[in-house]
Amino acid sequence: DTEVTQTPKHLVMGMTNKKSLKCEQHMGHRAMYWYKQKAKKPPELMFVYSYEKLSINESVPSRFSPECPNSSLLNLHLHALQPEDSALYLCASSQAPRQEETQYFGPGTRLLVL
Amino acid sequence: QKEVEQNSGPLSVPEGAIASLNCTYSDRGSQSFFWYRQYSGKSPELIMSIYSNGDKEDGRFTAQLNKASQYVSLLIRDSQPSDSATYLCAVNLLNQAGTALIFGKGTTLSVSS
Repeated sequence: DTEVTQTPKHLVMGMTNKKSLKCEQHMGHRAMYWYKQKAKKPPELMFVYSYEKLSINESVPSRFSPECPNSSLLNLHLHALQPEDSALYLCASSQAPRQEETQYFGPGTRLLVL
Repeated sequence: QKEVEQNSGPLSVPEGAIASLNCTYSDRGSQSFFWYRQYSGKSPELIMSIYSNGDKEDGRFTAQLNKASQYVSLLIRDSQPSDSATYLCAVNLLNQAGTALIFGKGTTLSVSS
């Protein structure tokens, strides 16, 4: 089973709202990732958690705040977003933060910021 | 800046033909390479991973890696209309902070029946 789940599937929010995206995996993976994908572009890495610790933050604005409450869950808290933040937000996980490990993607949350 | 380059396409092939997708990467120290397929509106799905020079076959798919030339390719034999999608080449980089998957821009494949 290589399932990564994400909720919600779709989200519409105003620029003053606070919302959270949720990602869950039960494969015992110890590395989890957030990517952002704009239309017609490849996924771009935002954050990496290794063994529940934030290991990579790709210069993401502070209006995006990741959280890893435990080894199965990954959240992305959103606050004061801009319309240009509208995108598909993808969560992924891998067995470990090793180069040879495959990353498995969830279905994504499609976010629209008005 | 570590980069992964792909021809964006579209690559159009008739049903039953071989589709050839190519990718080059800039970081000579890269060790792990992946091909993902992404249907419109969906998330990336792993097709193949390859780590050693040479060919790796899985059903109708063959991945080829040449580290000296910094080149990765994906061949799809007996292409089907259901193979129509964007194919993303990805390289997993390892640095002190952890691993980071770097994607090419993707090649859009269209298989006509």
